[in-house]
Amino acid sequence: GNSVTQMEGPVTLSEEAFLTINCTYTATGYPSLFWYVQYPGEGLQLLLKATKADDKGSNKGFEATYRKETTSFHLEKGSVQVSDSAVYFCALSGLSGGYNKLIFGAGTRLAVHP
Amino acid sequence: EAQVTQNPRYLITVTGKKLTVTCSQNMNHEYMSWYRQDPGLGLRQIYYSMNVEVTDKGDVPEGYKVSRKEKRNFPLILESPSPNQTSLYFCASSFWGQGNTGELFFGEGSRLTVL
Repeated sequence: GNSVTQMEGPVTLSEEAFLTINCTYTATGYPSLFWYVQYPGEGLQLLLKATKADDKGSNKGFEATYRKETTSFHLEKGSVQVSDSAVYFCALSGLSGGYNKLIFGAGTRLAVHP
Repeated sequence: EAQVTQNPRYLITVTGKKLTVTCSQNMNHEYMSWYRQDPGLGLRQIYYSMNVEVTDKGDVPEGYKVSRKEKRNFPLILESPSPNQTSLYFCASSFWGQGNTGELFFGEGSRLTVL
């Protein structure tokens, strides 16, 4: 079936360090891929997305590239800040259930220390 | 302000006592959905609705009911809660069809504990 696998957390970094959170997916079709972020005590909000192979999504210094050949959508940021501490979810959609149905990974908690 | 509002935000209840978690959105979205979030499992879809009076099961519908009598509201009903329904619940909404960008808008969550 369709699924998303993320690296387990927590990921703990110092401020200004480089961040990578790995995400791979299994899908029978051609999904759209998303990264959502959940700050403490809040709901999820869209961070970035990519709708086809080789697309790069970017927002707030975060980037992810849709790699069809490796079925991956790794999240990267060159210099993290304390305010980036949150839980990050990789997700896919566009399969059965339409584009509105999101399938989420388990989430990766990021903690950034000064 | 565009938002999805859930109530209550926190609830402790006992096994078998019926409860309803309300969800309301002010963005005129056709699509609404309920997810539950559990450690190590991410978010799993419970039910969704494509429009008024149109609902369907998600991946984990057992023990839940929903209704969509108005476009803005999508309540989640637990007729006889059990401890395995202790979880963090999120309501989400989006446009359906041509207006859909793939982005879901989430409420702030409702933390439910069933004793």
